[in-house]
Amino acid sequence: DGGITQSPKYLFRKEGQNVTLSCEQNLNHDAMYWYRQDPGQGLRLIYYSQIVNDFQKGDIAEGYSVSREKKESFPLTVTSAQKNPTAFYLCASEQGNQPQHFGDGTRLSIL
Amino acid sequence: AQTVTQSQPEMSVQEAETVTLSCTYDTSESDYYLFWYKQPPSRQMILVIRQEAYKQQNATENRFSVNFQKAAKSFSLKISDSQLGDAAMYFCAYRSAPLHNAGNMLTFGGGTRLMVKP
Repeated sequence: DGGITQSPKYLFRKEGQNVTLSCEQNLNHDAMYWYRQDPGQGLRLIYYSQIVNDFQKGDIAEGYSVSREKKESFPLTVTSAQKNPTAFYLCASEQGNQPQHFGDGTRLSIL
Repeated sequence: AQTVTQSQPEMSVQEAETVTLSCTYDTSESDYYLFWYKQPPSRQMILVIRQEAYKQQNATENRFSVNFQKAAKSFSLKISDSQLGDAAMYFCAYRSAPLHNAGNMLTFGGGTRLMVKP
């Protein structure tokens, strides 16, 4: 079945450590997105990419980085500069005017 | 920039009854899309219903329907014959139409937690 796969489901980060969240889609979608969700709140956009080798900052990009070397992959790195990384992270993809499809998310916590 | 507001942090409904969730938004654009997403405890985001702003007819998907009032910038979700499985967080979201070249990103409201009582 086509869909979006996020891994790992749970991730723990130590002080000063960079961690990378994986997002893979086999829907052949051009656009991909990363959102952050804090408890009891809506989603906020971190980064998005409309095409391979191109991406733009969203509303809360500081402390995060992304790459888009392949159409199907859009990994998110949470750097040590992100001082409050504990949150639920959701990846989404989209083609044209169709609604975004979401992955199952990664929960990141600080050790 | 667009903003989306959901003024009801929590709502409850009796099983088999009807409930309406409110959403208002602010935009200067004339063409856009509006969505309702459901997020159950599993945290997966599930599309419930979608409305194109240029369509006057309110969207309907089985037990889910919307009341889209473009002039009032209001987009409420009505759930009829509520079921226990409807219990979840519900998010209203806005997206610019492609002509605005805004990257297709979604702007979300803060969410409404719906509880369904048996």
